[in-house]
Amino acid sequence: EVQLVESGGGLVQPGGSLRLSCAASGFTFSNYAMSWVRQAPGQGLEWVSSSSGSGGTTNYADSVKGRFTISRDNSKKTLYLQMNSLGAEDTAIYYCAKHGQGTSTSCYQCAFDLWGQGTMVTVSS
Amino acid sequence: DIQMTQSPSSLSASVGDRVTITCRASQGITNYLAWYQQKPGKVPKLLIYAASTLQSGVPSRFSGSGSGTDFTLTISSLQPEDVATYYCQKYNSALAFGQGTRLEIK
Repeated sequence: EVQLVESGGGLVQPGGSLRLSCAASGFTFSNYAMSWVRQAPGQGLEWVSSSSGSGGTTNYADSVKGRFTISRDNSKKTLYLQMNSLGAEDTAIYYCAKHGQGTSTSCYQCAFDLWGQGTMVTVSS
Repeated sequence: DIQMTQSPSSLSASVGDRVTITCRASQGITNYLAWYQQKPGKVPKLLIYAASTLQSGVPSRFSGSGSGTDFTLTISSLQPEDVATYYCQKYNSALAFGQGTRLEIK
């Protein structure tokens, strides 16, 4: 089955750190760019970060640049998001998403055709 | 950074109505535009990519159009299961989503 499963969310104090994981199955993980998208409670979607299939190209939203790091282990078919210096504004559901549209592979500038169920991150003292 | 602005922010329509949602980019993005549907408590779902290409499995009552800065998502005949929030997304260079349009049944 083609799916993405996030883990690693939880309650963390302001200034703390957390690492999220996204385990992929059912497709050739290394062929696809991946992204993290977050959604604060009752709010819209916010793109956080993207990684090319090899991990050699990464991009970040200004709101997380310098604090978050995206990485991937293609041998484990897993995407990561290391989050440091967390603040209340980072409280959200974090989704991982696969880049893809139509029959394209290795497409960085693509829509997101597969999403995980999300993992909740709460930053509070 | 290019901003994506959706209108309206919310709308209410009757079953069978034709519904149109607009998304405007602050600069031209050619056709690097996708539309997503997010039902309450659910994960976003890709409806349309490349501004007008219907994702596999999506009902044909959904359609997209536009290029450059102005885009539309149209539902030709609104169904009860279409109640959701709809987001546009640009995916050239820096990615960004619109603020969302909440669609309800009247």
